[in-house]
Amino acid sequence: DAGVTQSPTHLIKTRGQQVTLRCSPKSGHDTVSWYQQALGQGPQFIFQYYEEEERQRGNFPDRFSGHQFPNYSSELNVNALLLGDSALYLCASGQGNSGANVLTFGAGSRLTVL
Amino acid sequence: DQQVKQNSPSLSVQEGRISILNCDYTNSMFDYFLWYKKYPAEGPTFLISISSIKDKNEDGRFTVFLNKSAKHLSLHIVPSQPGDSAVYFCAAGWGGADGLTFGKGTHLIIQP
Repeated sequence: DAGVTQSPTHLIKTRGQQVTLRCSPKSGHDTVSWYQQALGQGPQFIFQYYEEEERQRGNFPDRFSGHQFPNYSSELNVNALLLGDSALYLCASGQGNSGANVLTFGAGSRLTVL
Repeated sequence: DQQVKQNSPSLSVQEGRISILNCDYTNSMFDYFLWYKKYPAEGPTFLISISSIKDKNEDGRFTVFLNKSAKHLSLHIVPSQPGDSAVYFCAAGWGGADGLTFGKGTHLIIQP
């Protein structure tokens, strides 16, 4: 049973560009959350998707947006990239309305902005 | 303002001994707490959790203690094994929020 899968695993972008990261949740899970983990920090909540809608959002600007598809997979989009957006982006899936409880994380997509 | 704090960036423990990882929080709204373990190049994996209505939860070698009055929780691993070497994250959440708040992590090193 595949867990949470994320792509790409690594990517390099330049300032001002846009990036799209993808996530497939664990089988049976219907919520997807995105977290940003900067070097030496813990994961920081970006937003969560449930039933194809953004349900809650952390303290991140509108440059960060997302989408959830009918098959529960999700995309994270970041526009107008800044150097400070360089981080590991983690996708986590969960079940139902208690998606924040026990989450299953993917290995992450490491974004480097030059 | 860090709402979940792990003040020890690293901890070294001898194999077979007890490892104690600590976590403090400031937000009284948090009503459940979790510990995640992370190996390099892998995502965090869930280890153990505790609800605010309990003060202890045990799962095999892992026990989490919660002291609500002190806003402090700790993870005890006994006995410590080489495979326990990893980064441990403390996380907290509450019923009205979907996102977890994580600490910065403690790198546990088990010495043979």
